Amino acid sequence: SQKIEQNSEALNIQEGKTATLTCNYTNYSPAYLQWYRQDPGRGPVFLLLIRENEKEKRKERLKVTFDTTLKQSLFHITASQPADSATYLCAYSGSARQLTFGSGTQLTVLP
Amino acid sequence: NAGVTQTPKFQVLKTGQSMTLQCAQDMNHNSMYWYRQDPGMGLRLIYYSASEGTTDKGEVPNGYNVSRLNKREFSLRLESAAPSQTSVYFCASSEVGQGSAGELFFGEGSRLTVL
Repeated sequence: SQKIEQNSEALNIQEGKTATLTCNYTNYSPAYLQWYRQDPGRGPVFLLLIRENEKEKRKERLKVTFDTTLKQSLFHITASQPADSATYLCAYSGSARQLTFGSGTQLTVLP
Repeated sequence: NAGVTQTPKFQVLKTGQSMTLQCAQDMNHNSMYWYRQDPGMGLRLIYYSASEGTTDKGEVPNGYNVSRLNKREFSLRLESAAPSQTSVYFCASSEVGQGSAGELFFGEGSRLTVL
């Protein structure tokens, strides 16, 4: 069955650097992937969606790529700030037409 | 903007007790969802409702029931709570069904502890 995996460990980076988070899937390419941000004690908030036929999508300092050969999506935050510290979730819609979420990557941006 | 509102925010139950989590959205969305989130497990879908009057099981429906009361409201009921149901529960809504690329709008979560 399809699995979706994110960096299981927390990611710490220095302010101003680019943070890169990984979302890997195991089998068929999903039609699209979504990325969400979740702050402690809060519900997830939608950030970006990228479709299978799109290589890259940008929104302000955020960039998402989709590589169907590597079965991977990368989420980049450029010029990172301490306010970007949060857990980032990727999600895909599989054959069951249900949105399935990864377990998330906790990002900490150090001042 | 209220968005998706969940009540209660916190609840402690004893094993065997029942309770209902309430969810309401004011965005006129057709689809609504209940997820649970456990450490290291990600969000897992319990039930969803593609439109008023319909409900379908998700990945982990056992031990839960749902009611789509009207277009705005979608409730989740635990008939006989078990410690394994200790979790954070999130309600979400979207304009389109999950098979379509619609973003989800989440509530703030309901933290349930079953002793």
